[in-house]
Amino acid sequence: AQTVTQSQPEMSVQEAETVTLSCTYDTSESDYYLFWYKQPPSRQMILVIRQEAYKQQNATENRFSVNFQKAAKSFSLKISDSQLGDAAMYFCAYRSALDKLVFGAGTILRVKS
Amino acid sequence: DAGVIQSPRHEVTEMGQEVTLRCKPISGHDYLFWYRQTMMRGLELLIYFNNNVPIDDSGMPEDRFSAKMPNASFSTLKIQPSEPRDSAVYFCASRPGGGHQPQHFGDGTRLSIL
Repeated sequence: AQTVTQSQPEMSVQEAETVTLSCTYDTSESDYYLFWYKQPPSRQMILVIRQEAYKQQNATENRFSVNFQKAAKSFSLKISDSQLGDAAMYFCAYRSALDKLVFGAGTILRVKS
Repeated sequence: DAGVIQSPRHEVTEMGQEVTLRCKPISGHDYLFWYRQTMMRGLELLIYFNNNVPIDDSGMPEDRFSAKMPNASFSTLKIQPSEPRDSAVYFCASRPGGGHQPQHFGDGTRLSIL
C-alpha cells in the first residue's frame, strides 16, 4: 500500500522569507500524481500545486514550487516570499492509478511578522 | 462556477440518532469522494463513486455508515446509529475524468455526536 510521510509536524517562517516543507512517499507504481493541499483555519482544502510523475520538470505556481525527486520518492514544497496568508496546515497527497488519494499527516506552517 | 457544496456545515446531535450529510459535486465531474478528518487518523477516504457507481467502499468504518449517489448531482453519507467516536469533519470532493485532474473539496461538515 502507498504511504505518504510528512516528517515535520510544524514549521515556522519569517514573513518574506522562504520555507521548504518535506514529503516522502512509498510506492511500487511508476505512474502516479502528487499534490500539495493547503488547509487554513477555515478548514477548506485548497489545491496548491500538482505534479505528474512522468514529468521531469518541477511544477511551479507563482510563489510555490516543488522539488520532485522520483528516484528518492521525495516531493518537497517550497514557498518563496512567505505571506501571513500562507499560514495553514499543508498536506502532501499521492494518487495512484486506482484514483485513491493518500494523504500525509500534515505540516502546520506558522508565518511570523 | 460553484464549487462542491456540502450541507450542513455543522451538525450536533445525540448518540443513537441518524445523521445524513449531503453533497453536490461540481457539474460535469465524474468522480465523487467522501473523506473523514480526525486529529488521530488524519484524512481518510471512506468511499468513492465513478459515474454514480460506488467503486471502492473499503474505507467505510462499519455497517453503520452508508453512502449513496442517486444521480450525478447529489450524494449522501448516512450514519445510523451515530456514536461519539463518529465526531469528525467530513469532506466531499469531486473531480473530472482524466488522471491528471485534481480533486476539488467542499467546505466540509463538522459533525459532533454527544
